[in-house]
Amino acid sequence: DAGVTQSPTHLIKTRGQQVTLRCSPKSGHDTVSWYQQALGQGPQFIFQYYEEEERQRGNFPDRFSGHQFPNYSSELNVNALLLGDSALYLCASSLSGRLRDGYTFGSGTRLTVV
Amino acid sequence: GDSVTQMEGPVTLSEEAFLTINCTYTATGYPSLFWYVQYPGEGLQLLLKATKADDKGSNKGFEATYRKETTSFHLEKGSVQVSDSAVYFCALLHSGNTGKLIFGQGTTLQVKP
Repeated sequence: DAGVTQSPTHLIKTRGQQVTLRCSPKSGHDTVSWYQQALGQGPQFIFQYYEEEERQRGNFPDRFSGHQFPNYSSELNVNALLLGDSALYLCASSLSGRLRDGYTFGSGTRLTVV
Repeated sequence: GDSVTQMEGPVTLSEEAFLTINCTYTATGYPSLFWYVQYPGEGLQLLLKATKADDKGSNKGFEATYRKETTSFHLEKGSVQVSDSAVYFCALLHSGNTGKLIFGQGTTLQVKP
């Protein structure tokens, strides 16, 4: 049973560019959340998608946007990249109504902005 | 707002030593509490969880008890192995089921042979 799959694993972008990260949730899960993990820090919540809509959003600017598709997969888009956006981006999936069971995380996408 | 505070690391232990990683939280209501582990170059793996006061979560020899009176969820293991070397994160999920996990800053554990 495949867990959460993220692509690409590593990415280098130039300041000002735009980037799209992709996530396929664990089979049977319908809710996808995105987190940003800076080096040496705990993950910070970006937003959560359910039924193709953003259900909740953390304290991130509008440069961060997302999408969920009918098959529950999701994309994270970041526009006008800043050096401070360099981080590990983690996707986590869960089943709505069973959030207390915990989330399954992917291995992440390491984004470096130069 | 809700928050999680973990003991600062790194924690360095010899193999077979006893492990405690402290975690305290601030939250209204009755959050669910989790410990996640992150091995080098990987994402987070759920280690254990507890959803109500006095619950004890356990997995792979690790244990943590949800203490509402002290707002704590300390992680313990009786005998650590080199393979336990990783970063450990304490996290809470608010009782309002908002879906947002709030993490501590992480504690690095290094176990030496």
